[in-house]
Amino acid sequence: AQRVTQPEKLLSVFKGAPVELKCNYSYSGSPELFWYVQYSRQRLQLLLRHISRESIKGFTADLNKGETSFHLKKPFAQEEDSAMYYCALSAGKSGGYQKVTFGTGTKLQVIP
Amino acid sequence: DAGVTQSPTHLIKTRGQQVTLRCSPKSGHDTVSWYQQALGQGPQFIFQYYEEEERQRGNFPDRFSGHQFPNYSSELNVNALLLGDSALYLCASSLLGSPLHFGNGTRLTVT
Repeated sequence: AQRVTQPEKLLSVFKGAPVELKCNYSYSGSPELFWYVQYSRQRLQLLLRHISRESIKGFTADLNKGETSFHLKKPFAQEEDSAMYYCALSAGKSGGYQKVTFGTGTKLQVIP
Repeated sequence: DAGVTQSPTHLIKTRGQQVTLRCSPKSGHDTVSWYQQALGQGPQFIFQYYEEEERQRGNFPDRFSGHQFPNYSSELNVNALLLGDSALYLCASSLLGSPLHFGNGTRLTVT
């Protein structure tokens, strides 16, 4: 069975401070990991995926298979980063069929 | 491009009734997945449709069923509604194997 754990329901940081949103996963195979974000009154949208190894809006996330973690980081928080963040794991069958499992989400609040 | 569209936006039903929710995928996408999001929780995977067939299913009872049409649009049907089925139902479309694009959801309230 696959599971995604986000231990913090709420994370409050001051503007300019570093941000780290924690995500741990449980899966016996080779998963694909994602971060999705939901800004106020907007739909859930992809922020980044581990296979892209890119930085989006200053955020990065590194897959650590030894610690089964995929923490989201940003060196300097901005007010516009305030949103709900979901870590997600995709475990597919052959043929590309996906079962994507989401964590419970962490609300990031950036204090001006 | 309107992206993923869902209808209706809100729905109120009574216990025991049946409901149908609809989803039009983003242009060019061929795969539709449905999720249930209870208050304060992350989205929970219900099932995924590709080429008009259910390809993957989460831990939901048979009361939850779906359909995908030749134009890739999809319906989610829930029979014998329970109070616990009250939630936001999200549709997500994608190309097979690519990241999900979500709609705004349908808020279902069962009384």
